[in-house]
Amino acid sequence: NAGVTQTPKFRVLKTGQSMTLLCAQDMNHEYMYWYRQDPGMGLRLIHYSVGEGTTAKGEVPDGYNVSRLKKQNFLLGLESAAPSQTSVYFCATTLKGGGQHFGDGTRLSIL
Amino acid sequence: AQKITQTQPGMFVQEKEAVTLDCTYDTSDQSYGLFWYKQPSSGEMIFLIYQGSYDEQNATEGRYSLNFQKARKSANLVISASQLGDSAMYFCAMREGRYFSFGNEKLTFGTGTRLTIIP
Repeated sequence: NAGVTQTPKFRVLKTGQSMTLLCAQDMNHEYMYWYRQDPGMGLRLIHYSVGEGTTAKGEVPDGYNVSRLKKQNFLLGLESAAPSQTSVYFCATTLKGGGQHFGDGTRLSIL
Repeated sequence: AQKITQTQPGMFVQEKEAVTLDCTYDTSDQSYGLFWYKQPSSGEMIFLIYQGSYDEQNATEGRYSLNFQKARKSANLVISASQLGDSAMYFCAMREGRYFSFGNEKLTFGTGTRLTIIP
């Protein structure tokens, strides 16, 4: 998925640890999104950003924080990881027509 | 109430046959967009096709077409001449409101259909 890069691809955390997921895009898109994907539940929006310096809550924002200090980067933070946050996390930017272009995902396990 | 409903958790289809994946949606907006994504076992999300609510013709992209029935609020994905590489999860999604209207950029996803193509 050229254009949207997620770092890291895999991570295992212990309960209570903190970490930051990085999403970087080189398409100069204004809109960026963070989703989580859990079995049987499709993708659910955590937070999104409509431009540098702006963020907004999505459907499941609790336990996460985000920042968009630079247009090309959208960071997702877990301050105190919980087992319920074990999931696959996807970052996306907006395509023409409103569809979204996704990164390859980050598989996160919280023990 | 679910906004996007995919009633087929899994489907098995013989190679080279056509397949229809069902998607119904619920919205009170007049302007909205419908999308289909493919997620192979490798995990990435691949955009397949888009249909706007005001588009009069059904969207087509190669072997993919979207059977849009506005009155029934359905947006089924049709894959013609299925191939082994079509085996994947397929997600239907909806954007409510006008394209790029503030606050209306979010996509709501269905729970997906796992398609398996049998040789």
